[in-house]
Amino acid sequence: GQQVMQIPQYQHVQEGEDFTTYCNSSTTLSNIQWYKQRPGGHPVFLIQLVKSGEVKKQKRLTFQFGEAKKNSSLHITATQTTDVGTYFCAGPAGNQFYFGTGTSLTVIP
Amino acid sequence: ETGVTQSPTHLIKTRGQQVTLRCSSQSGHNTVSWYQQALGQGPQFIFQYYREEENGRGNFPPRFSGLQFPNYSSELNVNALELDDSALYLCASSTPGTGLMNTEAFFGQGTRLTVV
Repeated sequence: GQQVMQIPQYQHVQEGEDFTTYCNSSTTLSNIQWYKQRPGGHPVFLIQLVKSGEVKKQKRLTFQFGEAKKNSSLHITATQTTDVGTYFCAGPAGNQFYFGTGTSLTVIP
Repeated sequence: ETGVTQSPTHLIKTRGQQVTLRCSSQSGHNTVSWYQQALGQGPQFIFQYYREEENGRGNFPPRFSGLQFPNYSSELNVNALELDDSALYLCASSTPGTGLMNTEAFFGQGTRLTVV
């Protein structure tokens, strides 16, 4: 069945280092959304990409949507302790909505 | 905060029982979706309601059912509870886009269900 995988599953970085999580879907997604979930919290919307090859930036965060609309990435430059949490990609395919497996980011001060 | 409220926040039920979880959507949002999130995993889409009709469903058995009311609030009902139903249940509201979940979703804090 449909799967949305993310790598890595876990990432520990020193504060100030960069971080990237990759998202791969087994089928084409009509759009890709990224969410951040803090420990004990709920997912919080970060951004949505719709067009093939689209790149968007939010301050230190850069999001890309692949040409085939089956993969995406989130890159954080110079991580801060406030970036701690699990990052999920998500998107619709058919009449379902799929979340990725998530990447848990730990930032060491 | 998102303006999406869920009740109750925590619940303990016995295997075989039935449970109803409630969600009030953010003002102006007429689309509600429900998710099950097991510990350490990503949310799994259960279904979505738009204008009181189910317009999308994930791979969940029929004992998971829902309702949306004219004020756009929603309920998730689970019958014949199983131990594996223990999870965080999240509700999200959004404005309708051109298709399923094509716009930003605002999540509630969730209901933690424990089945014993």
